[in-house]
Amino acid sequence: DGGITQSPKYLFRKEGQNVTLSCEQNLNHDAMYWYRQDPGQGLRLIYYSQIVNDFQKGDIAEGYSVSREKKESFPLTVTSAQKNPTAFYLCASSIQDGETQYFGPGTRLLVL
Amino acid sequence: RKEVEQDPGPFNVPEGATVAFNCTYSNSASQSFFWYRQDCRKEPKLLMSVYSSGNEDGRFTAQLNRASQYISLLIRDSKLSDSATYLCVVNTPGTYKYIFGTGTRLKVLA
Repeated sequence: DGGITQSPKYLFRKEGQNVTLSCEQNLNHDAMYWYRQDPGQGLRLIYYSQIVNDFQKGDIAEGYSVSREKKESFPLTVTSAQKNPTAFYLCASSIQDGETQYFGPGTRLLVL
Repeated sequence: RKEVEQDPGPFNVPEGATVAFNCTYSNSASQSFFWYRQDCRKEPKLLMSVYSSGNEDGRFTAQLNRASQYISLLIRDSKLSDSATYLCVVNTPGTYKYIFGTGTRLKVLA
């Protein structure tokens, strides 16, 4: 079954802690994306990657970091510098720019 | 002005009704347009891409008006299961940026 998986479904972060959200796809897509969704707001782009070993900042990259060492994987680290990390984080992929994006089930991050 | 704007609703309609949503976009260079459906606390799922000539998928019809820079979604014969938030998404080629509207909430009532 092709698709995108994200883990964990829920994640709790303590003050000052870095946490990493996993995103894996087996759709053979080149492009991958991380979004953040807050209640009542649209999705906002954190980072995107056009191809392996390349990634670009989105609109709200401060306090986040990513890597793209494999085509299938695009993990997102929420660092302690991100002061308001509580949100629903969504990973997506597409064959290329402009094509349909497919989303993973998301990770809800809560701060303790 | 927001890059993509949608009426947040909610649109409360009875079962069997026809309902239409519009979405306006500001960048005239945009080339790819999509409607996604998002259920509460779930990920967005593609409903349909929007083509220049318009397209239909069962009870759903999408239209693009480039001159006025809006896309529309028409739902005929509404079902209870159509209750969700509908997201309008716009992409400009070469940017890798998909701009999402805040969504229009639809409630279909029995």
